[in-house]
Amino acid sequence: EAGVTQFPSHSVIEKGQTVTLRCDPISGHDNLYWYRRVMGKEIKFLLHFVKESKQDESGMPNNRFLAERTGGTYSTLKVQPAELEDSGVYFCASSQDGEAFFGQGTRLTVV
Amino acid sequence: RKEVEQDPGPFNVPEGATVAFNCTYSNSASQSFFWYRQDCRKEPKLLMSVYSSGNEDGRFTAQLNRASQYISLLIRDSKLSDSATYLCVVNVYTGFQKLVFGTGTRLLVSP
Repeated sequence: EAGVTQFPSHSVIEKGQTVTLRCDPISGHDNLYWYRRVMGKEIKFLLHFVKESKQDESGMPNNRFLAERTGGTYSTLKVQPAELEDSGVYFCASSQDGEAFFGQGTRLTVV
Repeated sequence: RKEVEQDPGPFNVPEGATVAFNCTYSNSASQSFFWYRQDCRKEPKLLMSVYSSGNEDGRFTAQLNRASQYISLLIRDSKLSDSATYLCVVNVYTGFQKLVFGTGTRLLVSP
């Protein structure tokens, strides 16, 4: 069974550009989470989908971040325009009941 | 106060040592508890769930004290391969579920 997959694994963009991260959860998992780890800090919650609905987006830093989950399958997280402080590793996780499985993350560097 | 607090370490121990990590959480709505392991530049992976009665998996023992809102992880007979960051994770339910991460405790096991 395929795990959680994220694309791209790395992205280097210039300040002001737009980047879209993608997450494919484990098939059948209703819950999809986005997390971010900024250098030297703990992993922080961004938002949570249940199927296609945003259940909790309290962790989204500001309106430059937009997440979608069309049809309750894969999810995208768009950052527009990117700022230097957006650099970090963005993890996606999915779960059905209990344990959350993580993707390998997208390492975003804004220069 | 952070929702989940851990000593960031690092804990430097020799092979064969026993080491214990502690974690406290502040939200009484926390429902389930986990220890995740994260290797350098990798995604977090579930090490073990933590049950009220305490649970053991080989060299690893996890305990939960709901009254004190405290979770622990004990590693016996440390191996070099145990070197990693150990994340205390709390599943908070407030109408929906959300995983909240501690900063992680870094363990370095030396020969």
